[in-house]
Amino acid sequence: ILNVEQSPQSLHVQEGDSTNFTCSFPSSNFYALHWYRWETAKSPEALFVMTLNGDEKKKGRISATLNTKEGYSYLYIKGSQPEDSATYLCACRHASGGSYIPTFGRGTSLIVHP
Amino acid sequence: DVKVTQSSRYLVKRTGEKVFLECVQDMDHENMFWYRQDPGLGLRLIYFSYDVKMKEKGDIPEGYSVSREKKERFSLILESASTNQTSMYLCASSPFVNIQYFGAGTRLSVL
Repeated sequence: ILNVEQSPQSLHVQEGDSTNFTCSFPSSNFYALHWYRWETAKSPEALFVMTLNGDEKKKGRISATLNTKEGYSYLYIKGSQPEDSATYLCACRHASGGSYIPTFGRGTSLIVHP
Repeated sequence: DVKVTQSSRYLVKRTGEKVFLECVQDMDHENMFWYRQDPGLGLRLIYFSYDVKMKEKGDIPEGYSVSREKKERFSLILESASTNQTSMYLCASSPFVNIQYFGAGTRLSVL
């Protein structure tokens, strides 16, 4: 079982604050990293797919970076809004024995207070 | 839009019952997955399938089995439900090594 870690486990911020959290993973045999947002009572939805070292992706106020050599990705939210409250999951795919099955971290729960 | 449909949002069963959780996807995806989600533990993979009639164990397959007779349908079976199988179950599908699309989840309580 691959070790994919997310930190912090939970985060409370005020509306308007910018925030970031981390996903770390084994760097060997890395194939791809996915970020998902999981809002309460909804299904997890994909935010970003990242594959190349140095990748930067952006969607509105949310952006992500990837460092495959050291095995981490950051997710940034600029000017947090209450609707950003959700659990953010990262999932990593590694090429292991021909299998590319994603391994999920435990998630970061973000609560944005108005 | 990709749609992954799980047959029930909430289910209450008794210890020892056989339980079927159904999942259907409408995008002709090769891969389908079953996860359970428990507080503090994240998503843990139970079983996955990369083709019809093919199945592979995930990280926590004990007490579960699966069936994939048709490409669009992936069923999770609890042969004899136990209280420690009370959990949120999520189904997902994906084209090969791409992002996953998730169902809304089934919250199962085993009494």
